[in-house]
Amino acid sequence: AQSVTQLGSHVSVSEGALVLLRCNYSSSVPPYLFWYVQYPNQGLQLLLKYTSAATLVKGINGFEAEFKKSETSFHLTKPSAHMSDAAEYFCAVSGAGGADGLTFGKGTHLIIQP
Amino acid sequence: NAGVMQNPRHLVRRRGQEARLRCSPMKGHSHVYWYRQLPEEGLKFMVYLQKENIIDESGMPKERFSAEFPKEGPSILRIQQVVRGDSAAYFCASSGTGEETQYFGPGTRLLVL
Repeated sequence: AQSVTQLGSHVSVSEGALVLLRCNYSSSVPPYLFWYVQYPNQGLQLLLKYTSAATLVKGINGFEAEFKKSETSFHLTKPSAHMSDAAEYFCAVSGAGGADGLTFGKGTHLIIQP
Repeated sequence: NAGVMQNPRHLVRRRGQEARLRCSPMKGHSHVYWYRQLPEEGLKFMVYLQKENIIDESGMPKERFSAEFPKEGPSILRIQQVVRGDSAAYFCASSGTGEETQYFGPGTRLLVL
């Protein structure tokens, strides 16, 4: 069984400040981990993924995430927030091989203050 | 290269009617997944299909819901005798064989009156 916990349903940061969105997972098999972003009334867009290669993963729009097995975490960061980063962010996990349904966290709504 | 397509984007049904949601995967993809998103919640996995086969339907409600992915044409998620609790956004995703990344469509927002 797999699960994902995203701490903080809402995160507010100032424009230009560090963005940190937290994700912890549990999985009985080596996980594949994903971060997706969802803009209002749209589908999900892949930001980045971890598939057992490098533990520090770089994605689109300046985001990156680090897989820490000892902490069962996959937190998402961006050094400097832009107004356009305001959206809903979802962390997801799938089992080894990746060809099964994703288990999603409840999401974190990122608010950017001008 | 067109992405995952879903139609309709919005669907309004009265209680007791049927809802049919369609999903065309990305070109070359033969794996389709359906998810449901309730307000203020993340996406919940419903079903995983390959052409003409249901691989995993562990997330599908036992009654009224069915899914298919025929040899030709889009994948269909069918909800019979809809109830207000079925109101949600339904997302389809697709992936290629051997790929771990799922690409999502824009979703169908179902409203049951």
